[in-house]
Amino acid sequence: GESVGLHLPTLSVQEGDNSIINCAYSNSASDYFIWYKQESGKGPQFIIDIRSNMDKRQGQRVTVLLNKTVKHLSLQIAATQPGDSAVYFCAENTGFQKLVFGTGTRLLVSP
Amino acid sequence: IAGITQAPTSQILAAGRRMTLRCTQDMRHNAMYWYRQDLGLGLRLIHYSNTAGTTGKGEVPDGYSVSRANTDDFPLTLASAVPSQTSVYFCASSDGDTQYFGPGTRLTVL
Repeated sequence: GESVGLHLPTLSVQEGDNSIINCAYSNSASDYFIWYKQESGKGPQFIIDIRSNMDKRQGQRVTVLLNKTVKHLSLQIAATQPGDSAVYFCAENTGFQKLVFGTGTRLLVSP
Repeated sequence: IAGITQAPTSQILAAGRRMTLRCTQDMRHNAMYWYRQDLGLGLRLIHYSNTAGTTGKGEVPDGYSVSRANTDDFPLTLASAVPSQTSVYFCASSDGDTQYFGPGTRLTVL
């Protein structure tokens, strides 16, 4: 059937602030999680990943937190910049390399 | 390094026509995927291939077919396009768990 466009949750922050984007996942058996960034007109770009045997992983300016008890994932971006403006998707690996994506959060960074 | 390329970039197609979206990767990844992304939604898996010569159905396979004759190429075919197939199509490949995406094809079916 026809797909219905949904209003994306939006997070608006000032440049230099820290941003936190949240995601709830569905499958308690998922063992691998990824955050993707998608800029307008482009494909999703890998940001950071985390396995289920970890609860925190840090990258350059980004940190992913995993709470398996409540099936929650968050992406923290430090010192947010205008170039961070994009839609952010979490994805869970439900097995056999199949990813299930969340609907996304739009991050708007004001100078 | 090209990564993943998709063609065409965009296409307007009359309903009922046949269309093949092309996807090529130069990373020698075994697994490849096709997703569609509709306005405001996340990506939904159409078909996948774990290795050359094998394919599988994803979440929304109806109206689409794929083939995987070799490692590098994974074309997606719409045998008879319908307006509900208007979407942005992304191809991806994987070296294990992480999937890497192409730039997408914007398809409009009228």
